[in-house]
Amino acid sequence: SQKIEQNSEALNIQEGKTATLTCNYTNYSPAYLQWYRQDPGRGPVFLLLIRENEKEKRKERLKVTFDTTLKQSLFHITASQPADSATYLCALVESNYQLIWGAGTKLIIKP
Amino acid sequence: GAGVSQSPSNKVTEKGKDVELRCDPISGHTALYWYRQSLGQGLEFLIYFQGNSAPDKSGLPSDRFSAERTGGSVSTLTIQRTQQEDSAVYLCASSFDLYQPQHFGDGTRLSIL
Repeated sequence: SQKIEQNSEALNIQEGKTATLTCNYTNYSPAYLQWYRQDPGRGPVFLLLIRENEKEKRKERLKVTFDTTLKQSLFHITASQPADSATYLCALVESNYQLIWGAGTKLIIKP
Repeated sequence: GAGVSQSPSNKVTEKGKDVELRCDPISGHTALYWYRQSLGQGLEFLIYFQGNSAPDKSGLPSDRFSAERTGGSVSTLTIQRTQQEDSAVYLCASSFDLYQPQHFGDGTRLSIL
């Protein structure tokens, strides 16, 4: 069955730098992949969706790429701010409409 | 309301008791999902509804878990004869349809003593 791997170690980035988070999957390429942000004690919040025929998607300081050859999506935050500190989850759709979720990567932006 | 609402926000109960968790989705959203999240873990899919129908119940961990949705709106997740391993945060999400991004509530933190 499909598995998602996200770096379980926290990522520490200096304010103003670009943060890059990785999401790898193991089997077939999904029709689309989503990225969410989760703050402690809160539910995930949707950020971006990228389809298998799209190489890149941008929204303000956020950029997502999708490489079906590498079976990988990268999530970038440019000009990072302490307020960007959170756990970032990637999720991909299964054929029966379920989303399969990664465990998330905790991002810490230091002032 | 403006977002997905879940109640209660916290629930502490004794092992063996039944619990009922409620989810009020965003008005007009036809799809509704239940997940379970343990500390430091990803989301574990439990069940989804399209309208009032749940096409796939295979994600429910055991027959002690059940869910229903009425009127295409509010959903309840019921756990009977709770066990300590049921302790987790139970998250509900809704979306306009099955292909759209999901909007989450803040979850019910369930603790079984």
